[in-house]
Amino acid sequence: GAGVSQTPSNKVTEKGKYVELRCDPISGHTALYWYRQSLGQGPEFLIYFQGTGAADDSGLPNDRFFAVRPEGSVSTLKIQRTERGDSAVYLCASSRTPGTVEQYFGPGTRLTVT
Amino acid sequence: EDQVTQSPEALRLQEGESSSLNCSYTVSGLRGLFWYRQDPGKGPEFLFTLYSAGEEKEKERLKATLTKKESFLHITAPKPEDSATYLCAVQARAGNMLTFGGGTRLMVKP
Repeated sequence: GAGVSQTPSNKVTEKGKYVELRCDPISGHTALYWYRQSLGQGPEFLIYFQGTGAADDSGLPNDRFFAVRPEGSVSTLKIQRTERGDSAVYLCASSRTPGTVEQYFGPGTRLTVT
Repeated sequence: EDQVTQSPEALRLQEGESSSLNCSYTVSGLRGLFWYRQDPGKGPEFLFTLYSAGEEKEKERLKATLTKKESFLHITAPKPEDSATYLCAVQARAGNMLTFGGGTRLMVKP
């Protein structure tokens, strides 16, 4: 079956602009996660959705970052007033249920802020 | 605060030369420890989940083991196609997020 998909695969934007990154989880997976990975480092947690609600947004670095999942499937990560430090690969993962089950990752969106 | 440290940061092996990757962790109540493989430009690919000390899991040339403080990923007779970054992550009982280490970049030369 289809895995987690993310669009776009690459996004280049200018400092101060607004961007949206999309994640389409594996069909039937109720839990969805966003992580951010800087070059040479492991992924860092941003936000977790169970269904439509953000169950844990403790990893969002500041209020410029926001994510939604209005129908409990596709999720959008939104970044306002982008800064050069936001440049990273943004990874989305989904799991069948929350808890100790495997999280399956998408290919990521590489965001470059110039 | 949950913490994961992986060593070495990079490892070069000759094809057929077995070795081990280390993952040391501290977590407030371990729910699960995960190993992932990541190829350049791709997302992490799930390999194993370990739940309790003493548990072992195997897949082809890879074997993962777990103690109360660390996990090892043993690679037996590696091939060039095993070259990748291997990531270790923990999940605490109190949450659902994964806390990752920095990864070990493995290069296997023919």
